[in-house]
Amino acid sequence: DGGITQSPKYLFRKEGQNVTLSCEQNLNHDAMYWYRQDPGQGLRLIYYSQIVNDFQKGDIAEGYSVSREKKESFPLTVTSAQKNPTAFYLCASSEGFDTQYFGPGTRLTVL
Amino acid sequence: GENVEQHPSTLSVQEGDSAVIKCTYSDSASNYFPWYKQELGKGPQLIIDIRSNVGEKKDQRIAVTLNKTAKHFSLHITETQPEDSAVYFCAPRLKYSTLTFGKGTMLLVSP
Repeated sequence: DGGITQSPKYLFRKEGQNVTLSCEQNLNHDAMYWYRQDPGQGLRLIYYSQIVNDFQKGDIAEGYSVSREKKESFPLTVTSAQKNPTAFYLCASSEGFDTQYFGPGTRLTVL
Repeated sequence: GENVEQHPSTLSVQEGDSAVIKCTYSDSASNYFPWYKQELGKGPQLIIDIRSNVGEKKDQRIAVTLNKTAKHFSLHITETQPEDSAVYFCAPRLKYSTLTFGKGTMLLVSP
């Protein structure tokens, strides 16, 4: 897990509610990433940010939003527009463009 | 990801045997090839990586081989142990600065 923390570990949300997942890193990495993982599947990229105040959509950005106001923090908001939000969410960071280091993940369940 | 294929999807071996997992990719411009290990309920951890200027890299019981002409790279684990049981992902860098994850291989090492 290195110096990347994600909170909370488990999160429950009612349908129609927005929810924000936290990701913090103390590795002084410039780049940060959000992935979604469904059972038996690989990781799919939601958003990534290579520098403060800038971010790009990944492969499955619809229904999600992010911000990057500080180098250390990259919160992900799962909006009510995301039709199937129940999943395991992983945050990662990297110094360059190669090796990514992952946090412990947040498991989101929609009730 | 759709441009990354990983085989097999599951692999069962006896303790002490060797295990090999293969990853094929489509982008000939790829130049970074990592392997990640994910234990149940945790974030993936980098176990070994290779860059396009070398064909093989070894770290104790783990090795990665790269064939750029055929566009595939493989993870080799020798003298497997029960603690090697996990899901393994290849994640070549296909475009820009992002990694594209395969769907994973579940390795089960039986005592």
